[in-house]
Amino acid sequence: EPEVTQTPSHQVTQMGQEVILRCVPISNHLYFYWYRQILGQKVEFLVSFYNNEISEKSEIFDDQFSVERPDGSNFTLKIRSTKLEDSAMYFCASSNPLQGGLYEQYFGPGTRLTVT
Amino acid sequence: GQNIDQPTEMTATEGAIVQINCTYQTSGFNGLFWYQQHAGEAPTFLSYNVLDGLEEKGRFSSFLSRSKGYSYLLLKELQMKDSASYLCAVRPLASGTYKYIFGTGTRLKVLA
Repeated sequence: EPEVTQTPSHQVTQMGQEVILRCVPISNHLYFYWYRQILGQKVEFLVSFYNNEISEKSEIFDDQFSVERPDGSNFTLKIRSTKLEDSAMYFCASSNPLQGGLYEQYFGPGTRLTVT
Repeated sequence: GQNIDQPTEMTATEGAIVQINCTYQTSGFNGLFWYQQHAGEAPTFLSYNVLDGLEEKGRFSSFLSRSKGYSYLLLKELQMKDSASYLCAVRPLASGTYKYIFGTGTRLKVLA
């Protein structure tokens, strides 16, 4: 069964450093998403991406964040200058609304980001 | 505003039935999804409702009342492996990108 993959599984970085989180969505999916989950809190929407551009972003997704689909398979989230409060699990998800039916989102296993 | 409420924790016994409630207030409505999340893992899709009524899928069922802004997930014949968090997620109508708004999740403990 196709699945969303993410690398690395765990990233430790120092405050102020840049990090890039990587995702490979399911190959025939068209919408891509990043969510984050701070430990013990709810899953929060960050950004959605469609047709090679951001289609929607939340208030959390400020100028420190960017997303990119550098090739036909990868989808990345960059945090330019990390802060302590960016420590969280980051989930990538993808969906294919055009396939009909439920068009539910499939989530990757997540990257645990720890900012020290 | 957008608000989705779920109980924080529930406990049930192996073999029993448990109902996890979710109430929501969102800017429009385009579907309600239930996900299971084991600790440290990704959410996995369980069930979906867009129209009022009950959707049954094996041991799991989900119910929706749009007029009441209410849904529940019913788990039957509980097994120890069902110990997990259960996330209610609403897809707002206003979003053309199919994003989810998640509730805080309900942590279910299944006891032997």
